[in-house]
Amino acid sequence: LAKTTQPISMDSYEGQEVNITCSHNNIATNDYITWYQQFPSQGPRFIIQGYKTKVTNEVASLFIPADRKSSTLSLPRVSLSDTAVYYCLVGNTGGFKTIFGAGTRLFVKA
Amino acid sequence: SAVISQKPSRDICQRGTSLTIQCQVDSQVTMMFWYRQQPGQSLTLIATANQGSEATYESGFVIDKFPISRPNLTFSTLTVSNMSPEDSSIYLCSVEGETGANTGELFFGEGSRLTVL
Repeated sequence: LAKTTQPISMDSYEGQEVNITCSHNNIATNDYITWYQQFPSQGPRFIIQGYKTKVTNEVASLFIPADRKSSTLSLPRVSLSDTAVYYCLVGNTGGFKTIFGAGTRLFVKA
Repeated sequence: SAVISQKPSRDICQRGTSLTIQCQVDSQVTMMFWYRQQPGQSLTLIATANQGSEATYESGFVIDKFPISRPNLTFSTLTVSNMSPEDSSIYLCSVEGETGANTGELFFGEGSRLTVL
């Protein structure tokens, strides 16, 4: 399983765009990139998943360069409620066991 | 998607006792995963539970300490045996969603917060 590296923490202000980059140099050909969000006292929640280029949903965008050795989660116009830990994971289909890295603690300030 | 219910949501336990955590899923799933999350830390996979077979434990976790049952496709239990204060953690049950648009997407329960005195 590919190891991921993310910043430990980030600070932002309400209304700003936040970009969290994850490095995964050893990503395999059939690996997907998935991001989860975890609020205190809750289990992680799926945000977005991609394989290459760009993926966008109602919550976030995921940018993946051609070499796929990194990815960037983009949260547009964050609010206080986006304060959470964000995990980047890399793996493939077929019931792979998911290994969580350290995650990035995002603090959104008023 | 999958809805996961865990019991208990929290408990305070005495050293040396054992506690069983239950995980109920609203749909049939092949694989269930048990994670531990120590205070301020990331999630650590304890084991993978498949219905009808022995659970597969990750390095550092053994069956005698964390016995797991998986009697059917919607239910699993994790027992934390002979607890010590170091076992104080949040224990999370997780299942994998159906393959499709979101490959390998995991759904989590709310977790069971154990405090061992």
